[in-house]
Amino acid sequence: RKEVEQDPGPFNVPEGATVAFNCTYSNSASQSFFWYRQDCRKEPKLLMSVYSSGNEDGRFTAQLNRASQYISLLIRDSKLSDSATYLCVVNGVEGGSQGNLIFGKGTKLSVKP
Amino acid sequence: EADIYQTPRYLVIGTGKKITLECSQTMGHDKMYWYQQDPGMELHLIHYSYGVNSTEKGDLSSESTVSRIRTEHFPLTLESARPSHTSQYLCASRQEAFFDAYNEQFFGPGTRLTVL
Repeated sequence: RKEVEQDPGPFNVPEGATVAFNCTYSNSASQSFFWYRQDCRKEPKLLMSVYSSGNEDGRFTAQLNRASQYISLLIRDSKLSDSATYLCVVNGVEGGSQGNLIFGKGTKLSVKP
Repeated sequence: EADIYQTPRYLVIGTGKKITLECSQTMGHDKMYWYQQDPGMELHLIHYSYGVNSTEKGDLSSESTVSRIRTEHFPLTLESARPSHTSQYLCASRQEAFFDAYNEQFFGPGTRLTVL
């Protein structure tokens, strides 16, 4: 089982739609969680950290469910500029991954006019 | 804005040449990383370093080598480039997470390598 698994993409949605991405992680000892965004042919950049209590940043809401080892990202009122690949990221806790961030394969979002 | 730099941004080179991809960061981060990413595909960790004189191989086997003689500098070298090395190489850095597991990892803009 891969350490971080994400919904397969692509998600093609109209402007204004609400879209949700899901992610599961395999190691219950993981302590920090993130969503990164990667635009086409660009480097990944931090979108938001995901805290136990859940957190919101404008149109973006991140949730963490430790019992189910599940992370989500909700985007409300999608904009054309939200089109990108969204990477679920978890800190590694075992062996060679310890202390390193583990990146999911990413879910591609395409927002259409 | 991240203070992490990569040169060159684009490199087209013939088979058999030796190349070095440069990566520097001015944030004083202990940890540095090299990733390989093909277009539309996932990131693969190929090397990382916990600090000066520390280098480790990542999840994806790579024929490249790295060195970490200075905190701010983490170059990647290919002794003999081949077409199979054609890819994007992304450098990243992050402060040690002893006190803050939520330290952000910053990426450089990447080097797009084409080996003919």
